[in-house]
Amino acid sequence: GESVGLHLPTLSVQEGDNSIINCAYSNSASDYFIWYKQESGKGPQFIIDIRSNMDKRQGQRVTVLLNKTVKHLSLQIAATQPGDSAVYLCAERAYGSSNTGKLIFGQGTTLQVKP
Amino acid sequence: GAVVSQHPSRVICKSGTSVKIECRSLDFQATTMFWYRQFPKQSLMLMATSNEGSKATYEQGVEKDKFLINHASLTLSTLTVTSAHPEDSSFYICSARESIRTVPSYGYTFGSGTRLTVV
Repeated sequence: GESVGLHLPTLSVQEGDNSIINCAYSNSASDYFIWYKQESGKGPQFIIDIRSNMDKRQGQRVTVLLNKTVKHLSLQIAATQPGDSAVYLCAERAYGSSNTGKLIFGQGTTLQVKP
Repeated sequence: GAVVSQHPSRVICKSGTSVKIECRSLDFQATTMFWYRQFPKQSLMLMATSNEGSKATYEQGVEKDKFLINHASLTLSTLTVTSAHPEDSSFYICSARESIRTVPSYGYTFGSGTRLTVV
């Protein structure tokens, strides 16, 4: 089945280069954000997260930046490797009295790493 | 670490039949589970939130009579696609949230997904 939703954009990078994947989130009340990596036919795998009281967080080879002013999230991958090729998904958690902490996913990006 | 088991991984069914998908948290208790749907080359779309022992909360536009969700225990939630049609063909993914937060990721753990094909 198909839907009328947006198809994932593709980012193509050379092996060894740095990658920057962007995401616009929708809810200014969101207090927590997660980046996931999804390989074909599998569920999302956690990469890195960040709370709304931070603007930057670093992990191993990855950095997440949060700009609450423009509701923008980015994932930076250093020295991109062929094994990094996958779909990258951002997710936000909105908290409120009527909310159960559900995660809402952004559009996502397909990363292709050329050897 | 936290593991969520989702079964079956693939299923093919005939139009008009019903299909049940199971989502189990193997080593933790999950008071809340989430069901997502993913079309090819698209992101995950939240369908519903299920809480143990109560009715599921469906997102706008999701037919509750078509997508039946049961969360009978702290480790099991099921999604039943009733009277399936070809347009229901999709990748369905569950996520379980731990009752007690652990790192990383506030306890959101995803299953490996179910590829449903309705013929």
